[in-house]
Amino acid sequence: AQSVAQPEDQVNVAEGNPLTVKCTYSVSGNPYLFWYVQYPNRGLQFLLKYITGDNLVKGSYGFEAEFNKSQTSFHLKKPSALVSDSALYFCAVRDGSNYQLIWGAGTKLIIKP
Amino acid sequence: EAGVVQSPRYKIIEKKQPVAFWCNPISGHNTLYWYRQNLGQGPELLIRYENEEAVDDSQLPKDRFSAERLKGVDSTLKIQPAELGDSAVYLCASSFFQGAGDEKLFFGSGTQLSVL
Repeated sequence: AQSVAQPEDQVNVAEGNPLTVKCTYSVSGNPYLFWYVQYPNRGLQFLLKYITGDNLVKGSYGFEAEFNKSQTSFHLKKPSALVSDSALYFCAVRDGSNYQLIWGAGTKLIIKP
Repeated sequence: EAGVVQSPRYKIIEKKQPVAFWCNPISGHNTLYWYRQNLGQGPELLIRYENEEAVDDSQLPKDRFSAERLKGVDSTLKIQPAELGDSAVYLCASSFFQGAGDEKLFFGSGTQLSVL
């Protein structure tokens, strides 16, 4: 069965420091991996995706994510955090044969000035 | 470009009452999703439409939930009767599905339902 784990409920980072939000997954075939962000009182927004190719994918707002097949991980990263990055981040996975997205529980990212 | 529009933004009802949510997807998007999101959890798919056809409704509690997508555009999700456990945020999303499964979803702001 497909599953996604976001092991941290909350991540606290000082502004200007690098940030990482962790995601691990389990699928039966080749994974399609996504990150979405949810700002307060706003809908979920697409950040980036990995389908195939280069393991490092770049997305919106300076975010990037690294696909690691051996560790079944897809961690979200940013070199220098901004206070405005504070939001709820969701990882999602879909295997190549099933169109249903499975979502993680979300990680609250707090960036402190 | 207008985004996915949902209404109402908030709804408070008493248990056993009916409730309906409306969604207008992005123009040209052929696929529409209804999700339920409980506090502290990720979205859970209720139903997915491709054009007018409900292609995945396996997680829709059909004894009390129903949905329709008129003419492959707007959609309505209904609960009748509502139960206390239905309190959640109901999200609508749309996408342009071309068969690969890698398309990004565009979400509305959601309807926050409180059942008292």
